[in-house]
Amino acid sequence: GQNIDQPTEMTATEGAIVQINCTYQTSGFNGLFWYQQHAGEAPTFLSYNVLDGLEEKGRFSSFLSRSKGYSYLLLKELQMKDSASYLCAVRERDAGNMLTFGGGTRLMVKP
Amino acid sequence: DADVTQTPRNRITKTGKRIMLECSQTKGHDRMYWYRQDPGLGLRLIYYSFDVKDINKGEISDGYSVSRQAQAKFSLSLESAIPNQTALYFCATSDLGGTGVNEQFFGPGTRLTVL
Repeated sequence: GQNIDQPTEMTATEGAIVQINCTYQTSGFNGLFWYQQHAGEAPTFLSYNVLDGLEEKGRFSSFLSRSKGYSYLLLKELQMKDSASYLCAVRERDAGNMLTFGGGTRLMVKP
Repeated sequence: DADVTQTPRNRITKTGKRIMLECSQTKGHDRMYWYRQDPGLGLRLIYYSFDVKDINKGEISDGYSVSRQAQAKFSLSLESAIPNQTALYFCATSDLGGTGVNEQFFGPGTRLTVL
């Protein structure tokens, strides 16, 4: 089984930078995903890490350390539309490559 | 047109009723999934299917059943709905799961309320 932890809520200011952390315990790690979900809408894919290091995509970056069971999602130049929940999910080979999701971090961006 | 569609989008029903939620996809993916989402609990896997002849239970399958009618269609049934099945239900699809990104694509969700 897996245990995935991420903060429940965070608040940040428009234009600032925010880091959302995710820690996990798993066996047969086979990738970590970040999804964005606006209230009442479908989750949409943001990023994927399977090797250690930083993946950058525009204003969003995601980092992975497999030895520490740790990832973060970094959002730069925050915009009001970034107010959403951010879901961390781990794919585990020993679980048939299914995804297990954390509870999500609700980010509120204030003017 | 949306790649993954779900019907209905909203449903209110009574305890004991049978309910079917339907999912269709045009992405040509073999893998399909049903999740439920409750506040603070994230997405939890109910059932998944790797192809038409393959159905597997997820973390919380009790009280649910599924049918994979075709590669593009995967339906979820609640045989006798109960109030604690009130939740937001998502269908998702993906290509092969083992290597590469192969992210899951989600439908718009069905909000189910059981009174």
